[in-house]
Amino acid sequence: DADVTQTPRNRITKTGKRIMLECSQTKGHDRMYWYRQDPGLGLRLIYYSFDVKDINKGEISDGYSVSRQAQAKFSLSLESAIPNQTALYFCATSDLPPGLAGGPGSGELFFGEGSRLTVL
Amino acid sequence: EDQVTQSPEALRLQEGESSSLNCSYTVSGLRGLFWYRQDPGKGPEFLFTLYSAGEEKEKERLKATLTKKESFLHITAPKPEDSATYLCAVQAWYGQNFVFGPGTRLSVLP
Repeated sequence: DADVTQTPRNRITKTGKRIMLECSQTKGHDRMYWYRQDPGLGLRLIYYSFDVKDINKGEISDGYSVSRQAQAKFSLSLESAIPNQTALYFCATSDLPPGLAGGPGSGELFFGEGSRLTVL
Repeated sequence: EDQVTQSPEALRLQEGESSSLNCSYTVSGLRGLFWYRQDPGKGPEFLFTLYSAGEEKEKERLKATLTKKESFLHITAPKPEDSATYLCAVQAWYGQNFVFGPGTRLSVLP
């Protein structure tokens, strides 16, 4: 089983519908992230959470919301989907970077397989 | 504002033809520069982290190097299975979020 699991993997929906993308991880990491990937634009950060009680907006949070239900679960919602939210969405986790107190890991991101969302 | 650019956008090589990919960055207080490989329809897969100028890391046919303004991913005698998009990202000490470049799409022809 994958360390970072995203559901659904593919979704086609219509403008105005509410959509939830779910992410669960078995890495035991406190830090979780949602990115979107568009051709030519790279990965852009939507929201991130450094622990269960911590939620932060990223570069492109407008039109999105998140919920951190547990250390292992982080979901992304589109309250009213619009066509320019058509993209590939990735959930990722990371450990604390080296050099920070309590950080034993290397700090790199571990990604899920992605959720392809199409809004018609 | 932290920024990452990558060049070229796309690169086609013959099998065995060595080359380099460039990642240029501006960041306030670099904590680490990361290289990832991404296959079509898959999530990015971690390759290397570089922390300071002059550092080098190697893995099979790949070698990553770092200066104060850019990083290079050198590919020696590539094989078709090296075909993928290579992403570069930086992480600053402040904020600790990752900023990604747009990637270089590498095709290695047999």
